[in-house]
Amino acid sequence: ILNVEQSPQSLHVQEGDSTNFTCSFPSSNFYALHWYRWETAKSPEALFVMTLNGDEKKKGRISATLNTKEGYSYLYIKGSQPEDSATYLCASITGGGNKLTFGTGTQLKVEL
Amino acid sequence: DSGVTQTPKHLITATGQRVTLRCSPRSGDLSVYWYQQSLDQGLQFLIQYYNGEERAKGNILERFSAQQFPDLHSELNLSSLELGDSALYFCASSVVGQPINTGELFFGEGSRLTVL
Repeated sequence: ILNVEQSPQSLHVQEGDSTNFTCSFPSSNFYALHWYRWETAKSPEALFVMTLNGDEKKKGRISATLNTKEGYSYLYIKGSQPEDSATYLCASITGGGNKLTFGTGTQLKVEL
Repeated sequence: DSGVTQTPKHLITATGQRVTLRCSPRSGDLSVYWYQQSLDQGLQFLIQYYNGEERAKGNILERFSAQQFPDLHSELNLSSLELGDSALYFCASSVVGQPINTGELFFGEGSRLTVL
């Protein structure tokens, strides 16, 4: 994989559902993987920064895992709430450079 | 509030014109990044400065230039504007020169540029 790719592009879930998204990134010369949450009309906010293969991070009902060997990360949201509605972006640094390359995001809408 | 300030928030101008977008990073952050978000595109990395020096360059057009001043604020200059330059331009800052480990980016609210 040459670019950062996220799937699905969009997701509609019901309140209380658990959900997960995927971020795929180039695995060679991996440096770091970031997850950001971007609410409409606001600016992206960092959720997690992960650097080690097997890293797992958790913040409240949101958690993330990292597999640097195969180049993917999962973001999990447990018991989705309407306030979780946002676009979730992942970004990676690979190739030893300084460029943090973003995927196009997964747009999550949590309905009552 | 991320602590990153961008001005102006909105800007409407005509093709061929030149504009300057300004960014003040969080207090203590030495790195400034510029990103462009066009319709249906992800955040495209333009350029990064660290403590006044260019650190990394992305797909920044030759018509665009940036600099970081001694007080660490940064300006992105866009010239000979074209319709396709209409986008949301984000500035972000981080403490370290590279966004590694805990060096997450803190984003401003963006400057929305409309070229007519």
